Amino acid sequence: DTEVTQTPKHLVMGMTNKKSLKCEQHMGHRAMYWYKQKAKKPPELMFVYSYEKLSINESVPSRFSPECPNSSLLNLHLHALQPEDSALYLCASSQVDREAFFGQGTRLTVV
Amino acid sequence: AQSVTQPDIHITVSEGASLELRCNYSYGATPYLFWYVQSPGQGLQLLLKYFSGDTLVQGIKGFEAEFKRSQSSFNLRKPSVHWSDAAEYFCAVAVDNYGQNFVFGPGTRLSVLP
Repeated sequence: DTEVTQTPKHLVMGMTNKKSLKCEQHMGHRAMYWYKQKAKKPPELMFVYSYEKLSINESVPSRFSPECPNSSLLNLHLHALQPEDSALYLCASSQVDREAFFGQGTRLTVV
Repeated sequence: AQSVTQPDIHITVSEGASLELRCNYSYGATPYLFWYVQSPGQGLQLLLKYFSGDTLVQGIKGFEAEFKRSQSSFNLRKPSVHWSDAAEYFCAVAVDNYGQNFVFGPGTRLSVLP
């Protein structure tokens, strides 16, 4: 099983809403990632969890709050987002020091 | 800071023709190197990877890439392109934090003519 599962696939939210993106993997990977991808741009790293601890935070605004409840799950909590936060949000996982496997992404629209 | 360049924003080839996508990186040591492919609205699929050893690496879907240290390059090749290869291709490097800091190039969009 080399699958990273992201839910939901699409999400529309208002600027005052609170929502969460979820990511799950069962490959035993100990590193998990959140990326943001705008149209026609490469993915930009947001957060990295290694062994369930936040190891990289790329100066992401506090309206994005990551959480890693266990080694298989990764959440991204969203609150008071802006329209410019609309993007494809990609989750990935890897063994430490190995290639990353990506989910299909959540298409987020902020209205 | 490390960086990845992909000089070609958009390439168009005819089906059956050969393909080479260029990738150059800027980093003092040898990073981990990857090529990913992305179809519209989809996630990224790993085509191949280089960590060490043989500088010519084989990947899925008939792709291969060659690491050239002297040129800081990791170009992707395919001898005969299929229409289904049309997609966005990203070169990536992983440095720092035990290879967890993935940095992507800007991408090359591949169009395939019938």
